[in-house]
Amino acid sequence: DAMVIQNPRYQVTQFGKPVTLSCSQTLNHNVMYWYQQKSSQAPKLLFHYYDKDFNNEADTPDNFQSRRPNTSFCFLDIRSPGLGDAAMYLCATSRDMQYEQYFGPGTRLTVT
Amino acid sequence: GENVEQHPSTLSVQEGDSAVIKCTYSDSASNYFPWYKQELGKRPQLIIDIRSNVGEKKDQRIAVTLNKTAKHFSLHITETQPEDSAVYFCAAVQAGTALIFGKGTTLSVSS
Repeated sequence: DAMVIQNPRYQVTQFGKPVTLSCSQTLNHNVMYWYQQKSSQAPKLLFHYYDKDFNNEADTPDNFQSRRPNTSFCFLDIRSPGLGDAAMYLCATSRDMQYEQYFGPGTRLTVT
Repeated sequence: GENVEQHPSTLSVQEGDSAVIKCTYSDSASNYFPWYKQELGKRPQLIIDIRSNVGEKKDQRIAVTLNKTAKHFSLHITETQPEDSAVYFCAAVQAGTALIFGKGTTLSVSS
């Protein structure tokens, strides 16, 4: 059974055209995370929500925003994608900060 | 803030050999240390974790050791198999913060 679902799995957008990636979970976990992963690199945390409490990493560009309307859903908005934003975007959830993170399958973003 | 260093960046072993990956962390407040495996094109998955009140943990062919004094922890894989080939990430977490990943180790097991 899918526990962390990401849509779409592949997204192609044009330079500067806003895009929204979505994540949903069936685990009822308190924490949801968004990571950016580029080829041959570790996942880079962009931000996380502990319940409704939003936590932005210091080096996350303002171009990236997030929304969590309820426990199950979280969205990543990229307001003006640049070529450097092409990457795999991973959503993850955990019961609490110091527990296992469950990752979704990712959304591969291409910027043309 | 926390910094996690991971070595080596690549590791090649023969099937049946052991593999060891080492990580060091900088903040003594870190108290949870997971290891994730990411196969090519797939999502990271937890393979083993350890908390700071434990020195060693084993799960079949995988073990993790933690030295709090030296601030390092290691992943040990025995009797490696080709399906162990993947990228392995260590991480460290402290209360109230998100985990910090190491840069990863690409393990190749040849038969």
